[in-house]
Amino acid sequence: GAVVSQHPSRVICKSGTSVKIECRSLDFQATTMFWYRQFPKKSLMLMATSNEGSKATYEQGVEKDKFLINHASLTLSTLTVTSAHPEDSSFYICSARDWGIEAFFGQGTRLTVV
Amino acid sequence: AQKITQTQPGMFVQEKEAVTLDCTYDTSDPSYGLFWYKQPSSGEMIFLIYQGSYDQQNATEGRYSLNFQKARKSANLVISASQLGDSAMYFCAMRERAWRGSTLGRLYFGRGTQLTVWP
Repeated sequence: GAVVSQHPSRVICKSGTSVKIECRSLDFQATTMFWYRQFPKKSLMLMATSNEGSKATYEQGVEKDKFLINHASLTLSTLTVTSAHPEDSSFYICSARDWGIEAFFGQGTRLTVV
Repeated sequence: AQKITQTQPGMFVQEKEAVTLDCTYDTSDPSYGLFWYKQPSSGEMIFLIYQGSYDQQNATEGRYSLNFQKARKSANLVISASQLGDSAMYFCAMRERAWRGSTLGRLYFGRGTQLTVWP
Protein backbone atom coordinates (compact mmCIF):
# COMPACT_ATOMS: atom_id res chain seq x y z
CA GLY A 1 0.00 0.00 0.00
CA ALA A 2 0.92 3.64 -0.25
CA VAL A 3 3.22 5.11 2.34
CA VAL A 4 2.85 8.32 4.28
CA SER A 5 5.79 9.35 6.41
CA GLN A 6 5.32 11.67 9.36
CA HIS A 7 8.19 13.23 11.27
CA PRO A 8 9.03 13.54 14.10
CA SER A 9 7.34 10.67 15.89
CA ARG A 10 7.89 12.28 19.28
CA VAL A 11 8.79 15.82 20.27
CA ILE A 12 9.12 17.61 23.57
CA CYS A 13 9.25 21.37 23.48
CA LYS A 14 9.20 24.25 25.90
CA SER A 15 6.11 26.33 26.39
CA GLY A 16 6.10 29.31 24.04
CA THR A 17 8.16 27.72 21.29
CA SER A 18 6.96 26.51 17.91
CA VAL A 19 7.05 22.98 16.58
CA LYS A 20 6.86 21.84 12.97
CA ILE A 21 5.51 18.44 11.98
CA GLU A 22 6.05 17.10 8.47
CA CYS A 23 3.85 14.75 6.51
CA ARG A 24 5.16 13.28 3.27
CA SER A 25 3.57 10.97 0.75
CA LEU A 26 6.42 8.80 -0.42
CA ASP A 27 5.13 7.02 -3.49
CA PHE A 28 2.09 8.92 -4.66
CA GLN A 29 0.92 12.46 -5.20
CA ALA A 30 -1.34 13.56 -2.38
CA THR A 31 -4.01 15.85 -3.77
CA THR A 32 -5.47 16.31 -0.32
CA MET A 33 -3.95 16.04 3.12
CA PHE A 34 -5.75 15.99 6.44
CA TRP A 35 -4.49 16.79 9.91
CA TYR A 36 -6.05 15.17 12.95
CA ARG A 37 -5.61 15.50 16.67
CA GLN A 38 -6.26 12.65 19.04
CA PHE A 39 -6.61 12.81 22.80
CA PRO A 40 -5.82 9.69 24.86
CA LYS A 41 -8.33 6.92 24.29
CA LYS A 42 -10.45 9.18 22.12
CA SER A 43 -11.33 9.31 18.47
CA LEU A 44 -9.56 11.34 15.80
CA MET A 45 -10.64 14.93 15.54
CA LEU A 46 -10.17 16.56 12.14
CA MET A 47 -8.33 19.85 12.45
CA ALA A 48 -7.96 20.93 8.85
CA THR A 49 -7.97 19.85 5.23
CA SER A 50 -5.40 21.10 2.79
CA ASN A 51 -5.15 20.90 -0.97
CA GLU A 52 -1.84 21.50 -2.67
CA GLY A 53 -1.29 25.13 -3.54
CA SER A 54 -4.28 26.52 -1.71
CA LYS A 55 -5.07 27.62 1.82
CA ALA A 56 -6.10 25.02 4.34
CA THR A 57 -9.71 24.70 5.41
CA TYR A 58 -9.94 24.59 9.18
CA GLU A 59 -12.64 22.91 11.21
CA GLN A 60 -14.75 25.00 13.51
CA GLY A 61 -12.98 25.78 16.76
CA VAL A 62 -9.46 25.22 15.41
CA GLU A 63 -7.28 28.31 15.63
CA LYS A 64 -5.74 29.07 12.25
CA ASP A 65 -3.01 31.27 13.70
CA LYS A 66 -2.00 28.63 16.19
CA PHE A 67 -1.97 25.62 13.88
CA LEU A 68 -0.35 26.74 10.66
CA ILE A 69 -0.71 24.34 7.77
CA ASN A 70 1.28 24.54 4.59
CA HIS A 71 0.76 22.19 1.65
CA ALA A 72 3.56 23.40 -0.60
CA SER A 73 3.78 20.40 -2.91
CA LEU A 74 1.90 17.26 -3.84
CA THR A 75 4.08 15.25 -1.50
CA LEU A 76 4.56 17.47 1.53
CA SER A 77 2.35 19.14 4.09
CA THR A 78 3.50 20.69 7.35
CA LEU A 79 1.70 21.54 10.56
CA THR A 80 3.33 24.16 12.77
CA VAL A 81 2.09 24.54 16.31
CA THR A 82 2.98 28.12 17.18
CA SER A 83 3.62 29.37 20.69
CA ALA A 84 2.88 25.94 22.08
CA HIS A 85 1.33 25.54 25.51
CA PRO A 86 0.86 22.44 27.66
CA GLU A 87 -2.76 22.14 26.53
CA ASP A 88 -1.46 21.62 22.98
CA SER A 89 0.14 18.37 24.11
CA SER A 90 -1.52 15.64 22.11
CA PHE A 91 -1.12 13.06 19.36
CA TYR A 92 -1.20 14.61 15.90
CA ILE A 93 -1.62 12.44 12.82
CA CYS A 94 -1.83 13.25 9.14
CA SER A 95 -3.44 11.40 6.30
CA ALA A 96 -3.13 11.78 2.57
CA ARG A 97 -5.26 10.89 -0.43
CA ASP A 98 -4.48 10.49 -4.05
CA TRP A 99 -7.24 10.01 -6.59
CA GLY A 100 -8.05 6.62 -5.17
CA ILE A 101 -10.40 5.65 -2.43
CA GLU A 102 -8.08 4.97 0.47
CA ALA A 103 -6.73 7.44 2.93
CA PHE A 104 -3.26 6.63 4.14
CA PHE A 105 -2.03 7.74 7.52
CA GLY A 106 1.32 8.79 8.83
CA GLN A 107 2.76 7.25 11.95
CA GLY A 108 1.66 10.15 14.13
CA THR A 109 3.53 12.64 16.30
CA ARG A 110 3.30 12.69 20.05
CA LEU A 111 3.79 16.29 21.16
CA THR A 112 4.57 17.12 24.77
CA VAL A 113 4.81 20.76 25.77
CA VAL A 114 6.55 21.37 29.08
CA ALA B 1 -26.44 13.39 14.64
CA GLN B 2 -23.42 11.14 14.79
CA LYS B 3 -22.17 10.08 11.39
CA ILE B 4 -20.55 6.94 12.78
CA THR B 5 -21.60 5.09 15.91
CA GLN B 6 -19.58 2.39 17.59
CA THR B 7 -21.48 1.22 20.64
CA GLN B 8 -18.86 -1.15 22.07
CA PRO B 9 -16.16 0.70 24.01
CA GLY B 10 -14.42 -2.60 24.72
CA MET B 11 -14.58 -6.16 23.49
CA PHE B 12 -12.84 -9.29 24.69
CA VAL B 13 -12.25 -12.42 22.65
CA GLN B 14 -10.27 -15.56 23.15
CA GLU B 15 -7.48 -16.37 20.77
CA LYS B 16 -8.61 -18.25 17.64
CA GLU B 17 -12.23 -17.23 18.10
CA ALA B 18 -14.11 -14.86 15.80
CA VAL B 19 -15.28 -11.43 16.94
CA THR B 20 -17.65 -8.86 15.50
CA LEU B 21 -17.16 -5.15 16.04
CA ASP B 22 -20.28 -3.10 15.48
CA CYS B 23 -20.57 0.04 13.41
CA THR B 24 -23.62 1.97 12.24
CA TYR B 25 -23.57 5.05 10.09
CA ASP B 26 -25.79 7.91 9.10
CA THR B 27 -25.77 9.59 5.71
CA SER B 28 -28.20 10.76 3.07
CA ASP B 29 -25.54 10.69 0.37
CA PRO B 30 -26.01 7.75 -2.03
CA SER B 31 -22.27 7.54 -2.67
CA TYR B 32 -20.14 6.78 0.34
CA GLY B 33 -17.37 4.54 1.51
CA LEU B 34 -16.88 2.73 4.77
CA PHE B 35 -13.48 2.00 6.28
CA TRP B 36 -12.09 0.12 9.20
CA TYR B 37 -8.76 1.02 10.76
CA LYS B 38 -6.71 -0.63 13.47
CA GLN B 39 -4.73 1.52 15.88
CA PRO B 40 -2.24 -0.34 18.08
CA SER B 41 -0.71 1.32 21.12
CA SER B 42 2.05 2.76 18.91
CA GLY B 43 -0.57 5.10 17.44
CA GLU B 44 -0.32 4.41 13.74
CA MET B 45 -3.57 3.97 11.84
CA ILE B 46 -3.55 0.76 9.85
CA PHE B 47 -6.06 0.47 7.04
CA LEU B 48 -7.90 -2.86 7.19
CA ILE B 49 -10.81 -2.95 4.79
CA TYR B 50 -13.02 -0.80 2.58
CA GLN B 51 -16.65 -1.12 1.43
CA GLY B 52 -18.19 1.14 -1.17
CA SER B 53 -21.88 1.93 -1.01
CA TYR B 54 -22.44 0.51 -4.48
CA ASP B 55 -20.46 -2.66 -3.92
CA GLN B 56 -22.71 -5.68 -4.30
CA GLN B 57 -20.62 -8.05 -2.24
CA ASN B 58 -19.26 -7.76 1.26
CA ALA B 59 -15.59 -6.83 1.34
CA THR B 60 -13.05 -9.35 2.59
CA GLU B 61 -9.33 -9.01 3.28
CA GLY B 62 -7.73 -12.09 4.72
CA ARG B 63 -9.12 -12.61 8.23
CA TYR B 64 -11.16 -9.41 8.00
CA SER B 65 -14.59 -9.21 6.49
CA LEU B 66 -17.13 -6.45 6.49
CA ASN B 67 -20.77 -7.36 7.09
CA PHE B 68 -22.44 -4.62 5.07
CA GLN B 69 -26.18 -4.24 5.63
CA LYS B 70 -27.15 -1.19 3.65
CA ALA B 71 -30.80 -1.02 4.69
CA ARG B 72 -29.79 -1.11 8.34
CA LYS B 73 -26.86 1.24 7.72
CA SER B 74 -24.49 -1.07 9.45
CA ALA B 75 -20.95 -2.06 8.56
CA ASN B 76 -19.71 -4.50 11.16
CA LEU B 77 -16.15 -5.79 11.09
CA VAL B 78 -15.68 -9.50 11.56
CA ILE B 79 -12.26 -10.76 12.55
CA SER B 80 -11.92 -14.51 12.23
CA ALA B 81 -9.39 -16.63 14.11
CA SER B 82 -8.31 -13.82 16.44
CA GLN B 83 -4.65 -13.48 17.28
CA LEU B 84 -2.96 -11.84 20.24
CA GLY B 85 -1.60 -9.22 17.87
CA ASP B 86 -5.14 -8.15 17.03
CA SER B 87 -5.41 -6.43 20.41
CA ALA B 88 -5.79 -2.77 19.52
CA MET B 89 -8.29 0.05 19.09
CA TYR B 90 -10.50 -0.32 16.04
CA PHE B 91 -12.12 2.62 14.30
CA CYS B 92 -14.95 2.60 11.81
CA ALA B 93 -14.98 5.57 9.43
CA MET B 94 -17.05 6.88 6.56
CA ARG B 95 -16.40 9.14 3.65
CA GLU B 96 -19.28 10.62 1.68
CA ARG B 97 -19.08 11.23 -2.08
CA ALA B 98 -16.51 8.52 -2.24
CA TRP B 99 -16.23 7.90 -5.95
CA ARG B 100 -12.77 7.33 -7.28
CA GLY B 101 -11.26 10.59 -8.46
CA SER B 102 -13.11 12.78 -6.01
CA THR B 103 -10.99 14.93 -3.76
CA LEU B 104 -13.97 15.77 -1.64
CA GLY B 105 -15.03 14.01 1.47
CA ARG B 106 -13.31 13.95 4.81
CA LEU B 107 -13.37 10.84 6.95
CA TYR B 108 -15.81 10.72 9.85
CA PHE B 109 -14.64 8.45 12.65
CA GLY B 110 -16.48 6.56 15.34
CA ARG B 111 -15.28 6.58 18.94
CA GLY B 112 -13.55 3.27 18.54
CA THR B 113 -13.68 -0.16 20.13
CA GLN B 114 -10.80 -1.45 22.22
CA LEU B 115 -10.35 -5.11 21.37
CA THR B 116 -8.47 -7.36 23.76
CA VAL B 117 -7.51 -10.86 22.67
CA TRP B 118 -6.66 -13.24 25.49
CA PRO B 119 -4.83 -16.56 25.28
